[in-house]
Amino acid sequence: DQQVKQNSPSLSVQEGRISILNCDYTNSMFDYFLWYKKYPAEGPTFLISISSIKDKNEDGRFTVFLNKSAKHLSLHIVPSQPGDSAVYFCAASVAGTASKLTFGTGTRLQVTL
Amino acid sequence: GAVVSQHPSRVICKSGTSVKIECRSLDFQATTMFWYRQFPKQSLMLMATSNEGSKATYEQGVEKDKFLINHASLTLSTLTVTSAHPEDSSFYICSAKGQGRTLHFGNGTRLTVT
Repeated sequence: DQQVKQNSPSLSVQEGRISILNCDYTNSMFDYFLWYKKYPAEGPTFLISISSIKDKNEDGRFTVFLNKSAKHLSLHIVPSQPGDSAVYFCAASVAGTASKLTFGTGTRLQVTL
Repeated sequence: GAVVSQHPSRVICKSGTSVKIECRSLDFQATTMFWYRQFPKQSLMLMATSNEGSKATYEQGVEKDKFLINHASLTLSTLTVTSAHPEDSSFYICSAKGQGRTLHFGNGTRLTVT
């Protein structure tokens, strides 16, 4: 039972344009969401998070949007840079579980010149 | 920022032997650490929750006698893969809770069982 889904396994975007990565979840108990970036053979690196009491959180080039009614979140990267090429995972947790994360399946982002 | 160190980064062992992987929180104390496993081109799957001073909590389908977890101090958790078999070959990643509800991850261990 995949509670967190990233339906696009890959995405290609030109440098300078906006990258939009999507994530859907089914567990209504999730109240905290995170995005991680991962390179092969490395651990995930935290990018940005959002609490369910918000619908938007911005940090530099990264913005996360949360639509609770649709159980959907997205990560916007603008402008996209070649160094952003990696696999992006969304993750979610439930309050009171000591931050135990459930991960999505990942989206491979390729930023082309 | 919070740093989690994982060692070794890669290990090759023979079938039937045991392998220990260490996970350390370098600049903060972690009462709870998590161990994940990732198969090629798949998501990170939670294996177990490591609790300092008490028994680990394993996810459904994870053999606790095969994947021994010890969290003896606030900065160190170890995962021992016992009697390893080729199907145990995978990428193992530990994580620890930093500020707030963010988990910080080690760089992972690539285990290859021959």
